[in-house]
Amino acid sequence: DAGITQSPRHKVTETGTPVTLRCHQTENHRYMYWYRQDPGHGLRLIHYSYGVKDTDKGEVSDGYSVSRSKTEDFLLTLESATSSQTSVYFCAIRDLGRGLNTEAFFGQGTRLTVV
Amino acid sequence: GIQVEQSPPDLILQEGANSTLRCNFSDSVNNLQWFHQNPWGQLINLFYIPSGTKQNGRLSATTVATERYSLLYISSSQTTDSGVYFCAVGGATGTYKYIFGTGTRLKVLA
Repeated sequence: DAGITQSPRHKVTETGTPVTLRCHQTENHRYMYWYRQDPGHGLRLIHYSYGVKDTDKGEVSDGYSVSRSKTEDFLLTLESATSSQTSVYFCAIRDLGRGLNTEAFFGQGTRLTVV
Repeated sequence: GIQVEQSPPDLILQEGANSTLRCNFSDSVNNLQWFHQNPWGQLINLFYIPSGTKQNGRLSATTVATERYSLLYISSSQTTDSGVYFCAVGGATGTYKYIFGTGTRLKVLA
């Protein structure tokens, strides 16, 4: 299994509070992704990173920010959580050094509930 | 951006039946994967198949990149095949994005 760890695995937070989710990899893969999964929508891309300090927006980036200060960690921050951000969040990684033509591996997911 | 459509959205089978799941995409791709999300929410890699045909046991997949579709075949289905099947694609235009379809929910009855 690919070495991907998401933390926390479950979190309940109050509306308006900041929340940071962490994705940690031990594979030295260049590309990292954050997705959210909601019923009826499949997985939607929030933000992604193609290297240290190199990030870009996905389909549903409003209300989220990311940071990648080192290869192994990709942080997703909800600056002020809202109930619409209640979801399951998945992190994914893709291989290093093979350009774009590589498969992605997923973490176990983080279930976030905003009350 | 690339649009990814999967069909059918839902599928119910008796154990032992065969099925074909389809993934259509709207632009050229360099990457295509099939995943199975089990009832516990884990995403399991099935195939990395930007083109051609691959087989793994009872599962096989074919991607015809020039016609912008991929098929996932499940033969002799088992109850453990239940879950949601996703395809995900990455574009050929230099983007690093990896876009998912909305999935096919499969239920296999004993």
